[in-house]
Amino acid sequence: QKEVEQNSGPLSVPEGAIASLNCTYSDRGSQSFFWYRQYSGKSPELIMSIYSNGDKEDGRFTAQLNKASQYVSLLIRDSQPSDSATYLCAVNRDDKIIFGKGTRLHILP
Amino acid sequence: ETGVTQTPRHLVMGMTNKKSLKCEQHLGHNAMYWYKQSAKKPLELMFVYNFKEQTENNSVPSRFSPECPNSSHLFLHLHTLQPEDSALYLCASSPAAGYEQYFGPGTRLTVT
Repeated sequence: QKEVEQNSGPLSVPEGAIASLNCTYSDRGSQSFFWYRQYSGKSPELIMSIYSNGDKEDGRFTAQLNKASQYVSLLIRDSQPSDSATYLCAVNRDDKIIFGKGTRLHILP
Repeated sequence: ETGVTQTPRHLVMGMTNKKSLKCEQHLGHNAMYWYKQSAKKPLELMFVYNFKEQTENNSVPSRFSPECPNSSHLFLHLHTLQPEDSALYLCASSPAAGYEQYFGPGTRLTVT
């Protein structure tokens, strides 16, 4: 099992709908979880951090963490064409951050 | 200056050239990283420095040589590169190893 797994996509979502991005991880000891957004040809940008089970909301973004299921997700409400990007899930393992391969999200106008 | 800066932003070099990439962070962080990202491929971690000490070398060829003179600066020295080394090279920093990372804009490298 890969350490951090994401569906590569592309995930196509109509404008205005909710985009749901999922990530699973293998190390039960992981304590910190991050979502990055990367536009084509640009560097990754940190958009959410979550450390406790449950939901964390920031504007149109909600991160959800379930440590028992080793699952973290990112919801984007009222999706906009500018949300089209690759979303990287990252998880800490000891003193390292392990990145997933990313999910490509395409918002359909 | 804010965040993480990288210079140059674009670099074209021949296979026999020697060049260096520079990264500087203004966040007071203690860990710095080099990543390689080839077109449409995932991030590949190359090197990690934590409190100026190299803590990870991810089986990177010796034609890539990192240098971290202090916690704010990181260099990647390049020599006798191959065309397959053409990629986006990203620098990142974090408060310490294992914490959230902040990325610079990257250097787009083309080896001819």
